[in-house]
Amino acid sequence: EVQLVESGGGSVQPGRSLRLSCAASGFTFDDYAMHWVRQAPGKGLEWVSGISWNGGSTDYADSVDGRFTISRDNAKNSLYLQMISLRPEDTALFYCARGGRVTFDSWGQGTPVTVSS
Amino acid sequence: AIQLTQSPSSLSASVGDRITVTCRASQGISSTLAWFQQKPGKAPKLLIYDASSLESGVPSRFSGSGSGTDFTLTISSLQPEDFATYYCQQFNSYPFTFGQGTRLDIK
Repeated sequence: EVQLVESGGGSVQPGRSLRLSCAASGFTFDDYAMHWVRQAPGKGLEWVSGISWNGGSTDYADSVDGRFTISRDNAKNSLYLQMISLRPEDTALFYCARGGRVTFDSWGQGTPVTVSS
Repeated sequence: AIQLTQSPSSLSASVGDRITVTCRASQGISSTLAWFQQKPGKAPKLLIYDASSLESGVPSRFSGSGSGTDFTLTISSLQPEDFATYYCQQFNSYPFTFGQGTRLDIK
């Protein structure tokens, strides 16, 4: 069974940093691209960032480009999202999602991030 | 970025009804569109990919159609567990984008 478990969320002040992690199990991690998708409270889904199976290619939403960095450690079956210069508008539930044959075919339960002074 | 516009934003229907949700892309995306279902407090679930391919395990009352810029999600006979929010998503090009969602509730 595919499992994705996010961690690392929390409450931080604007301008601070946070690192999210996603532990994957139940599938061959390095066969898949991986993504982060977020959902602000009461709002819709927003794709944040994606990384290829070997980490050689990364992409970001314009809203986070230059502030967020996606990475992975295939030896540890783990995905990461380093977030710096956090803003109140980054407040959201952050989901880790597997990039299936074409799109997000498995999701974690999310880790919440709150940015507030 | 490719924009996706869903309609309606909300919809009230009854068990057994047939409903259709539309998704329009701001430019042609071939068939690179997916549909997700999200229930309150839960992660989204993939229903349809490649515009019309049913994800494994998804009931056959769900179907998708369309290509280019216009797409539809149809539920042929609503069941109680289908009341949720539905999102379309394009994977034609980065940045991947979602529609704003369609909330389906019980009439």
